[in-house]
Amino acid sequence: GESVGLHLPTLSVQEGDNSIINCAYSNSASDYFIWYKQESGKGPQFIIDIRSNMDKRQGQRVTVLLNKTVKHLSLQIAATQPGDSAVYFCADYAGGTSYGKLTFGQGTILTVHP
Amino acid sequence: ETGVTQTPRHLVMGMTNKKSLKCEQHLGHNAMYWYKQSAKKPLELMFVYNFKEQTENNSVPSRFSPECPNSSHLFLHLHTLQPEDSALYLCASSLAARPLPAGGETQYFGPGTRLLVL
Repeated sequence: GESVGLHLPTLSVQEGDNSIINCAYSNSASDYFIWYKQESGKGPQFIIDIRSNMDKRQGQRVTVLLNKTVKHLSLQIAATQPGDSAVYFCADYAGGTSYGKLTFGQGTILTVHP
Repeated sequence: ETGVTQTPRHLVMGMTNKKSLKCEQHLGHNAMYWYKQSAKKPLELMFVYNFKEQTENNSVPSRFSPECPNSSHLFLHLHTLQPEDSALYLCASSLAARPLPAGGETQYFGPGTRLLVL
C-alpha cells in the first residue's frame, strides 16, 4: 500500500550543527506535505508544510525541500539546539476523495548534544 | 501549547469499564480527528468529523464510539477494550477536511490521552 517512510530512525547531532531529516513517500498523487515535531509527553506540533507546486519552503530556522521526481522530502534545521530534540514525522495527503487522510511516517528521533 | 485540549491526560481502565475521552478545540476549526499512536508504529487515523458529520471511519472496532456534538467538541467513548488498545490517543483539528479545497487542511494536535487497559 501507499506509505510515507523515513530513511533513518535516529539522528544525533551537536548543538549548533545543521540537521537534515529525510522522508520518502510513495504516492505520486500526494500534493501536500507536512512536518511535525513531537516531544516526549506531547502531541505532534506543526512545523512547516509544502505543496507539490513548490520545491522549497523556508520557515524560522527550518527549510523543507521537495523532490517530486524521486518522491523525497527533507527537513533542514539550522543551528540545531537542544530544544530541537524530539521525534520528527513527515506526513502527506494522498489526494482522492478521502477526508483528512494524512499518512504518517514512523518518525526520526533527533538527539541534540550540548 | 496548542488550541486543542484533551482530557483526561492519563487513564487506566479495566476491560469491562466504560470511559470517555474528551477533546475541545478553540481554533474555530470545522474538522476534528481521532488518532491512535502506539509504540514504534505510525499514527493511525481512526475517525474524521467534518462540520459535525462523520466522514471517515478507518475500520475501527465498534468498542470505540466517537461523538461530535458540535464543531468544537469531540468525544471517544470506550467500552470493553482490550489490552492491545493501550496507546496514546490524539485528537486533532483543522479548518477543513480534504477533499474540500486546499488551504485549511493543516491538522493541529492536542497533547493526547495516555490510555492503559488492564
